[in-house]
Amino acid sequence: DGGITQSPKYLFRKEGQNVTLSCEQNLNHDAMYWYRQDPGQGLRLIYYSQIVNDFQKGDIAEGYSVSREKKESFPLTVTSAQKNPTAFYLCASSPTDQNYGYTFGSGTRLTVV
Amino acid sequence: DAKTTQPNSMESNEEEPVHLPCNHSTISGTDYIHWYRQLPSQGPEYVIHGLTSNVNNRMASLAIAEDRKSSTLILHRATLRDAAVYYCILRGLINYGQNFVFGPGTRLSVLP
Repeated sequence: DGGITQSPKYLFRKEGQNVTLSCEQNLNHDAMYWYRQDPGQGLRLIYYSQIVNDFQKGDIAEGYSVSREKKESFPLTVTSAQKNPTAFYLCASSPTDQNYGYTFGSGTRLTVV
Repeated sequence: DAKTTQPNSMESNEEEPVHLPCNHSTISGTDYIHWYRQLPSQGPEYVIHGLTSNVNNRMASLAIAEDRKSSTLILHRATLRDAAVYYCILRGLINYGQNFVFGPGTRLSVLP
């Protein structure tokens, strides 16, 4: 079955460390996205990519970095520059046609200890 | 960016219809109206979308106002499994990610 996979489901990070969250899709979607969700809040866009080797900052890109070397993969690195990284991170993908919606992964919950 | 506004929360009794409203007064002619729902600790799930005409699928119905400035998601018979946060969002022709803005949504509670 086609879908989008995020790993790990739970991640603990020490202060000052960089961590990378994985996102893989086999839906042949051109566009991929990373969102951050804080408790009781909506989703805020971190980065998005419409095509391989190209990506754009979203509303809250500071302290994060991404790469898009393959169509199927869009990893997110949470760097030590991100002051408050504890959150629920969601990856999504979609065709670029606006008549199609997102498919979301099941999320990664990152906790700084 | 086109934005949507929804009530923070709504309550329904099980097996009764639920009408979830959404206002999008700044919608452009090429924006599609999408609805998603999210269960706790899960990613959002697609529910339905439309452009101008009302839409039906196995999960729900979407009623779009004639001027497209508002829409209503209709769950015909609410079940306990429908308790979730429902997001109404717009997807436009350009800047795909930035136009897909998720606000706080409507938290739907279903009472047995």
